[in-house]
Amino acid sequence: EVQLVESGGGSVRPGGSRRLSCAVSGLAFSNHEFNWVRQAPGKGLEWISSISSTGGNIYYADSVKGRFTVSRDNAQRSLYLQMSRLRTEDTGVYYCVTGSPPTTVWGLEYWGQGTLIAVSS
Amino acid sequence: YKLTQPRSVSVALGQTALIACDGSNIGAKSVHWYQQRPGQAPLLVIYDSINRPSGIPERFSGSNSGNTATMTISRAEDGDEADYYCQVWDSNTWLFGGGTMLTVL
Repeated sequence: EVQLVESGGGSVRPGGSRRLSCAVSGLAFSNHEFNWVRQAPGKGLEWISSISSTGGNIYYADSVKGRFTVSRDNAQRSLYLQMSRLRTEDTGVYYCVTGSPPTTVWGLEYWGQGTLIAVSS
Repeated sequence: YKLTQPRSVSVALGQTALIACDGSNIGAKSVHWYQQRPGQAPLLVIYDSINRPSGIPERFSGSNSGNTATMTISRAEDGDEADYYCQVWDSNTWLFGGGTMLTVL
């Protein structure tokens, strides 16, 4: 069974930093691209970052570029999202997401349960 | 690139619901659809515009041509009531439509 388990959520002050982690099991981690997708309260889904299987290709949404950094540790089977200069509009549930490669064809089949980040003063 | 979905669609129990996703020449792209029930993570229900993942009922189907991709839910059930999102990959980004809330009457 594929499992993606996010952690690191919580309350943060505007301007602060937080690191999210995603522990993955049940699939060949090093073969998969991973994504972070977030959802603000009562709003739709927003993709924020992708990292290729080797980490050689990384992409960000404009809304987080320069503030968030995605990384992965294939040995630890883990994905990370370092968030800095947080804003109130960064509040939401953050999902760790992947799918069978290439995901452009197969879609994003595997989602974690999400972790909530609340940015507030 | 932008994906446009109706904010809401209603369907009578047992009838057919169609949810559209509009985008420029979307017919040339691979479109994925997700179902999200309240409090749950999204679930992939259609991939590559027309295919169903294992475990998704045959009642769910997709089509894609021109500027519109469509997901069809036949014989709608109470359990289909959820938000639905379309998605494409474009210019090294994943794009989601704004989501459609499906109400089963």
